[in-house]
Amino acid sequence: DVKVTQSSRYLVKRTGEKVFLECVQDMDHENMFWYRQDPGLGLRLIYFSYDVKMKEKGDIPEGYSVSREKKERFSLILESASTNQTSMYLCASSLWGSGDSKNIQYFGAGTRLSVL
Amino acid sequence: GENVEQHPSTLSVQEGDSAVIKCTYSDSASNYFPWYKQELGKGPQLIIDIRSNVGEKKDQRIAVTLNKTAKHFSLHITETQPEDSAVYFCAASESDSNYQLIWGAGTKLIIKP
Repeated sequence: DVKVTQSSRYLVKRTGEKVFLECVQDMDHENMFWYRQDPGLGLRLIYFSYDVKMKEKGDIPEGYSVSREKKERFSLILESASTNQTSMYLCASSLWGSGDSKNIQYFGAGTRLSVL
Repeated sequence: GENVEQHPSTLSVQEGDSAVIKCTYSDSASNYFPWYKQELGKGPQLIIDIRSNVGEKKDQRIAVTLNKTAKHFSLHITETQPEDSAVYFCAASESDSNYQLIWGAGTKLIIKP
């Protein structure tokens, strides 16, 4: 079974703090994603990475950065947390390449971040 | 770019009845349409998907139908059970894009005992 592990289930931070959300996958997937989930808005892509040290902006990258130093690990960084970044953050991974399996995304359980 | 609309936002059905969730998409180039189920406290998980060369796909109590002309696809759950209570997301992509799924807003399905 594919396993995507997010380091924290719940986080409470203060405005202006630097926040790190960590994600690790164990299936040697090339692609990794960070989403933000808010009620009524579905899943919005923050950043995507298709290889080590490679990243692409998603739909809502403002206020976030990412780091992918190793294939299995993808970190989301909030440089200076703000209250409007209070949300559920989901990490996912998928396979690169051809075939039906390449579009399937495997998700972690999520990190609920509260910024006070 | 692609836009996916999902309805309804909340659906409440009696246990044993059927549930239908509908999605429409805007980009005629989209050819891959997955459905994910998110249970409480968990991340979304793929439950069924369909590609544009197929009109319908079934897996036990769940089925997905696709109407390419009208650009809509639907999830059908028959004989609903309490464990079907969850949030369901539809998505669309060009399979050749290799990574990006465009997501619907989600439907909270409530199964009443």
